[in-house]
Amino acid sequence: AQTVTQSQPEMSVQEAETVTLSCTYDTSESDYYLFWYKQPPSRQMILVIRQEAYKQQNATENRFSVNFQKAAKSFSLKISDSQLGDAAMYFCAQTNSGYALNFGKGTSLLVTP
Amino acid sequence: DAGVIQSPRHEVTEMGQEVTLRCKPISGHDYLFWYRQTMMRGLELLIYFNNNVPIDDSGMPEDRFSAKMPNASFSTLKIQPSEPRDSAVYFCASSSSETGLQETQYFGPGTRLLVL
Repeated sequence: AQTVTQSQPEMSVQEAETVTLSCTYDTSESDYYLFWYKQPPSRQMILVIRQEAYKQQNATENRFSVNFQKAAKSFSLKISDSQLGDAAMYFCAQTNSGYALNFGKGTSLLVTP
Repeated sequence: DAGVIQSPRHEVTEMGQEVTLRCKPISGHDYLFWYRQTMMRGLELLIYFNNNVPIDDSGMPEDRFSAKMPNASFSTLKIQPSEPRDSAVYFCASSSSETGLQETQYFGPGTRLLVL
């Protein structure tokens, strides 16, 4: 069975600072995909960033970047220059080529002024 | 382009009633997914379709749940009869194989269901 683990139920960061959210996963496949989704209080699931397992280069989207460690099965999300609007639940997700997303339990991020 | 559209956004019903949730995927997307989010179980896949055909319904909790996709632009998830434990947020998501990014799913706003 595939599992995704987010060990930090809650995190806090000051505005303009950097925070890293952790995620580990377990899969026996060599070809898979990893994602971070953001869920603000509106409940909308918003795609933040995506990483293909076959790519060694870490994905980056503006202030969001990942640290993908394939051997360790680790996929952390770094948010730089944190903004108040970044406050949300963040979900790590993994899928093989079979398309169903396996989600972690989420990390609640609080951004303080 | 419009994103994934779900209706209704909120639904309150009484136990035993039939509930129908609706989804319109992003135009041109050939994969459609139904997920359920609860505090206890988190986000879990219920069923997904490819080109309107159900591919994997192993996540459907029991016979009270059914899903259909009569055409490429419309899907329904029906619960009959509904029970209080069905209370959750139900998400629809879609993706496209044509872009080579079929693993990337885009979510609708969700339907918050409360069964009394």
